[in-house]
Amino acid sequence: QKEVEQDPGPLSVPEGAIVSLNCTYSNSAFQYFMWYRQYSRKGPELLMYTYSSGNKEDGRFTAQVDKSSKYISLFIRDSQPSDSATYLCAMSGTGGGNKLTFGTGTQLKVEL
Amino acid sequence: GAVVSQHPSWVICKSGTSVKIECRSLDFQATTMFWYRQFPKQSLMLMATSNEGSKATYEQGVEKDKFLINHASLTLSTLTVTSAHPEDSSFYICSAGNRGASYEQYFGPGTRLTVT
Repeated sequence: QKEVEQDPGPLSVPEGAIVSLNCTYSNSAFQYFMWYRQYSRKGPELLMYTYSSGNKEDGRFTAQVDKSSKYISLFIRDSQPSDSATYLCAMSGTGGGNKLTFGTGTQLKVEL
Repeated sequence: GAVVSQHPSWVICKSGTSVKIECRSLDFQATTMFWYRQFPKQSLMLMATSNEGSKATYEQGVEKDKFLINHASLTLSTLTVTSAHPEDSSFYICSAGNRGASYEQYFGPGTRLTVT
């Protein structure tokens, strides 16, 4: 079993839809939870991070962490074609030299 | 955010040759740099962690003699793929941090290596 599971998609939605992306994990030591966006043949770009449980909102993006269920989500409201990318969740503990463990990424396509 | 560059962005080499990839932090000093590889439609797999001025720490299963990492300054780390083979063809990405939290890592644009 992988430490972080993420549905690879692809996920196709119409413009304006609400997108829900999710990851589950097995390591209870994870404390930091990140979402990255990666365009084709580019490096990942940090979208949001959350420490421990709770919600965090930034513009059209909302990140949720439920540590009791070991489940994290990223919601994108009013999705745009420019949101089409691969979304990677990543996690780390408080020790371990800040090593990140990534999910496989979900490929999202927002269609006009 | 901080900027990290990689050079080259794309390289093709013949089997048996060595290739060096550079990772630079352009506007901050990176005490720690991470090297990842990513196969198509797969996740980023951490290869090694390097701290400036010390030896790199390799992840299990990564051959340290094949993937040589040098972090000689606070703005530059290099990954050398020695005696490259077609199975080494991949997308190599570095990230740089400065002893902050794990989310304070900034990723380079990646280097696509193709070994023929």
